[in-house]
Amino acid sequence: AIQMTQSPSSLSASVGDRVTITCRASQDIRDDLGWYQQKPGKAPKLLIYSASTLQSGVPSRFSGSGSGTDFSLTISSLQPEDFATYFCLQDNSYPYTFGQGTKLEIK
Amino acid sequence: QVQLVESGGGSVQPGRSLRLSCAASGFAFSSYAIHWVRQAPGKGLEWVAVISYDGNKKYYADSVKGRFTISRDNSKNTLYLQMNSLRPEDTAVYYCARDRAPFGIGEIDYWGQGTLVTVSS
Repeated sequence: AIQMTQSPSSLSASVGDRVTITCRASQDIRDDLGWYQQKPGKAPKLLIYSASTLQSGVPSRFSGSGSGTDFSLTISSLQPEDFATYFCLQDNSYPYTFGQGTKLEIK
Repeated sequence: QVQLVESGGGSVQPGRSLRLSCAASGFAFSSYAIHWVRQAPGKGLEWVAVISYDGNKKYYADSVKGRFTISRDNSKNTLYLQMNSLRPEDTAVYYCARDRAPFGIGEIDYWGQGTLVTVSS
């Protein structure tokens, strides 16, 4: 199975900060990667698919980049509603595998 | 809007069975592959299984192969997960999630809220 290594596991930041979260795949997954946001007790929400395509309705402060094995999610200017857990998911092959998650907390 | 609502979770003893359901609405259910994904308390997400739009293709995680069965009834817009020989390590919130592609291997774009399964004696 493809392993996804996500970092950092937690991150403290302030409103207005720029933050970046990374995921590394154990093998080439082309651009078959999505980024999700999850808040406690809520369904995960798709932010980015195909590594860099913004899902409809998602604010433009979210962006994704990368291909092959190295990927990143950037939030350009944190808003209060962005404090949540973020995770990556590779959909290149079964079994789908997830990053361990990054908990973004208010500093 | 797209809605996926899981049900059927609860507490069960090791070795017993449970069947989860996922009711879909707001989209053409019969045109999409659907996944089950789980999250153990305090842990990361684990993909469990996927079924193609027509039910003819199914894939499972090694951890559940031979014990869990994914199925769907397109006439009822409902997905199922039959879980047999349950183990304590199956304790998790179980989510159903839609794949953009009819055969799977596409992005998961919508998730349900999840249903909690607790396996304990």
